[in-house]
Amino acid sequence: EAGVVQSPRYKIIEKKQPVAFWCNPISGHNTLYWYRQNLGQGPELLIRYENEEAVDDSQLPKDRFSAERLKGVDSTLKIQPAELGDSAVYLCASRPGTGVNSPLHFGNGTRLTVT
Amino acid sequence: RKEVEQDPGPFNVPEGATVAFNCTYSNSASQSFFWYRQDCRKEPKLLMSVYSSGNEDGRFTAQLNRASQYISLLIRDSKLSDSATYLCVGNNAGNMLTFGGGTRLMVKP
Repeated sequence: EAGVVQSPRYKIIEKKQPVAFWCNPISGHNTLYWYRQNLGQGPELLIRYENEEAVDDSQLPKDRFSAERLKGVDSTLKIQPAELGDSAVYLCASRPGTGVNSPLHFGNGTRLTVT
Repeated sequence: RKEVEQDPGPFNVPEGATVAFNCTYSNSASQSFFWYRQDCRKEPKLLMSVYSSGNEDGRFTAQLNRASQYISLLIRDSKLSDSATYLCVGNNAGNMLTFGGGTRLMVKP
């Protein structure tokens, strides 16, 4: 079974530039999450999708962040414009359904550095 | 107060030692819990789910105490390769998975 695929693996941009991250979840996984992880901290949820619907985006800074999950499969997360404080690892995760006992499967993340 | 809290450590233990971490949660509606392991510059990977009756997987034992709202992870006979950050996760009824800040373990020869 192929895992969660994310790209790019690393991204370095100057502040005020736009950036986009892509995620392909495990086939058949309806639920998709975007997390942000700062150094030395646990992942923090940005947005959660059930199929193509964003069911929880309360932690997404909507003035500069946007996300979409067209057709309920792949997802993109965009930042425009990026700020220095956005430097972090952006993790995508998926799980097969809404069962409380199903764990998350993570991609290897995109490490963003904003200079 | 954070919904899921962990002692950040680091816990420095010698090889062969037994070490335990606790994780407290504030949302009494949390229905399931997991322990994840995260190596430096890698993504979190599932270590084990935590069941109400407690569960064991080799050298690892997880326990859930609903009355006191904490979960624990016990590692017996620590190996150098156990050095990592251990993240606990709570899942509430709304399918929200919330992570603790992680506990760093360093096993020394």
